[in-house]
Amino acid sequence: DVVMTQSPLSLPVTLGQPASISCRSSQSLVHSDGNTYLNWFQLRPGQSPRRLIYKVSNRDSGVPDKFSGSGSGTDFTLKISRVEAEDVGVYYCMQGSRWPYTFGQGTKLEIK
Amino acid sequence: EVQLVESGGGLVQPGGSLRLSCAASGLTFSGYWMHWVRQVPGKGLVWVSRINRDGSSATYADSVKGRFTISRDSAKNTLYLQMNSLRAEDTAVYYCTRSVFGEDNYWGQGTLVTVSS
Repeated sequence: DVVMTQSPLSLPVTLGQPASISCRSSQSLVHSDGNTYLNWFQLRPGQSPRRLIYKVSNRDSGVPDKFSGSGSGTDFTLKISRVEAEDVGVYYCMQGSRWPYTFGQGTKLEIK
Repeated sequence: EVQLVESGGGLVQPGGSLRLSCAASGLTFSGYWMHWVRQVPGKGLVWVSRINRDGSSATYADSVKGRFTISRDSAKNTLYLQMNSLRAEDTAVYYCTRSVFGEDNYWGQGTLVTVSS
């Protein structure tokens, strides 16, 4: 299975400051069809997962442009340009280039 | 309102069975791959199963292979997960989701399955 490793696992951030989460895969996520199936999800307490970014850098409809995704091959990053209170939650990267799809361990973002 | 609604969770004894349903309201899942994902309370997310657009092909995580069966009924706009030979480690919130890699990704609210004697 492809192992997804996130860092940091805990991310205390001051309101208004930027945040960055790294995600590394144990194998290249470039699919045979040329796409890279790397998504980012947000889990707020008591809510269902919400996809923020799909295929590395495509922001979902309704997701603020303060969220951005980048990367290639085995190294990927989610950035939040200015953290707000509503961003508190756990963030997961997830790969869909090889079955079984796998998630990272999650990064818990909290307000410092 | 556009939503996916799971049902069928509950308390079951080890070795027992449950069938989860995921009904689409205000949206269709015809033409989309559909998936089940679970989250053990306090832990991370794990992909359980996926089914292709016409229901002809399904894939499972090794941990549930041979025990769980995913299916879909396009006429009813409903996805199912038949879970047999349940184990304590299957205890989790189960989510259905649509269009994981395309536009318009939707998730249900989740249904809790507890396997305990």
